Amino acid sequence: DQQVKQNSPSLSVQEGRISILNCDYTNSMFDYFLWYKKYPAEGPTFLISISSIKDKNEDGRFTVFLNKSAKHLSLHIVPSQPGDSAVYFCAASANAGGTSYGKLTFGQGTILTVHP
Amino acid sequence: KAGVTQTPRYLIKTRGQQVTLSCSPISGHRSVSWYQQTPGQGLQFLFEYFSETQRNKGNFPGRFSGRQFSNSRSEMNVSTLELGDSALYLCASSLEGTGANTEAFFGQGTRLTVV
Repeated sequence: DQQVKQNSPSLSVQEGRISILNCDYTNSMFDYFLWYKKYPAEGPTFLISISSIKDKNEDGRFTVFLNKSAKHLSLHIVPSQPGDSAVYFCAASANAGGTSYGKLTFGQGTILTVHP
Repeated sequence: KAGVTQTPRYLIKTRGQQVTLSCSPISGHRSVSWYQQTPGQGLQFLFEYFSETQRNKGNFPGRFSGRQFSNSRSEMNVSTLELGDSALYLCASSLEGTGANTEAFFGQGTRLTVV
């Protein structure tokens, strides 16, 4: 049972344009969401996060949107740069009730390619 | 500020052997989690330690174990290695592993190959 899904295995974008990466979840207990960027044979790099009490969080070129009713979140990268080319993972944690300590549930990832 | 350090980076072991991987978290972080990444299963949570206690565990067999020391450094051990244990093992540290302090920072990983 995949509780966090990234339905697009890959995305190709032109440099300077917007990249939109999508993520859906099924577990209504998830209350904190994160995006990570990963290069092959390296650990994921934390990008941005959002709490379920918010619907938007911005950090520089990165903005995460959360739609709780649709159980959907998205990561917007504007403008996209070739250096953004990597695998992007969304992850979720369920913190209320204090039983999911340290556990992040990851999606399968989306390969983003930004062409010069 | 130093990041999360995992050693060794690469390891080749034979079926039936055991292996120990090490993780030093970011200074001040008390929660250490371990993940296994494989092409088929993606990133799967193994377990989490906080103040030398295992607080959470994923769905892995008992061959996978871990511990945390008083300085928050953590080790994970896999006994009786199987070919299917070949994977990238990732360690992540966070301040407290819960709530807004769930933001986890990952090490470079240890690539384990079982032959």
